[in-house]
Amino acid sequence: NAGVTQTPKFRVLKTGQSMTLLCAQDMNHEYMYWYRQDPGMGLRLIHYSVGEGTTAKGEVPDGYNVSRLKKQNFLLGLESAAPSQTSVYFCASSSSGSLSYEQYFGPGTRLTVT
Amino acid sequence: EDKVVQSPLSLVVHEGDTVTLNCSYEVTNFRSLLWYKQEKKAPTFLFMLTSSGIEKKSGRLSSILDKKELSSILNITATQTGDSAIYLCAVDLNTGTASKLTFGTGTRLQVTL
Repeated sequence: NAGVTQTPKFRVLKTGQSMTLLCAQDMNHEYMYWYRQDPGMGLRLIHYSVGEGTTAKGEVPDGYNVSRLKKQNFLLGLESAAPSQTSVYFCASSSSGSLSYEQYFGPGTRLTVT
Repeated sequence: EDKVVQSPLSLVVHEGDTVTLNCSYEVTNFRSLLWYKQEKKAPTFLFMLTSSGIEKKSGRLSSILDKKELSSILNITATQTGDSAIYLCAVDLNTGTASKLTFGTGTRLQVTL
């Protein structure tokens, strides 16, 4: 039981390049989330999903797109990376129902955009 | 705008000390308040609080919510070096579906020998 995994762990991009971050969970959770964490800013919600095939915007969605084609995977895409997107990205998942508050986090992806 | 503020931003204590971390919030639709511990990587869940005045305890850690004061505290007694971490407070907004967490910036705790 791996929990929540993220790939890659580290990445350096040049401005304008694109990439996709992959999040996978093996807990059969309905809900999945993408956050970014910046110094002095705390964790901020980018996008989230309440089920396969559905996505919704969070607090800071601009410059990112997401897809949830399979229940266990949640992809975060950067179409044209900017230095302002340098951050640590965390994926999380939670079950539906009464325990939906407890989000399980992945180990994070450190992204640097030069 | 929903806001969660934690204090202090950082703290250095000696092993064996007791610490109190603070979290205050201003949100439109409160459902619950959560505490997470973040060491090197992923945040890990500590407590979830929904009702005022009911203390949650886990070993040397405890937390309580005051909905009248819109705040919560996290206490750690007899601190150990393994308690060194960033402690995150988050408020879960009642959106009817998935939990949407608004996080504070965290308190960085360092426990020295």
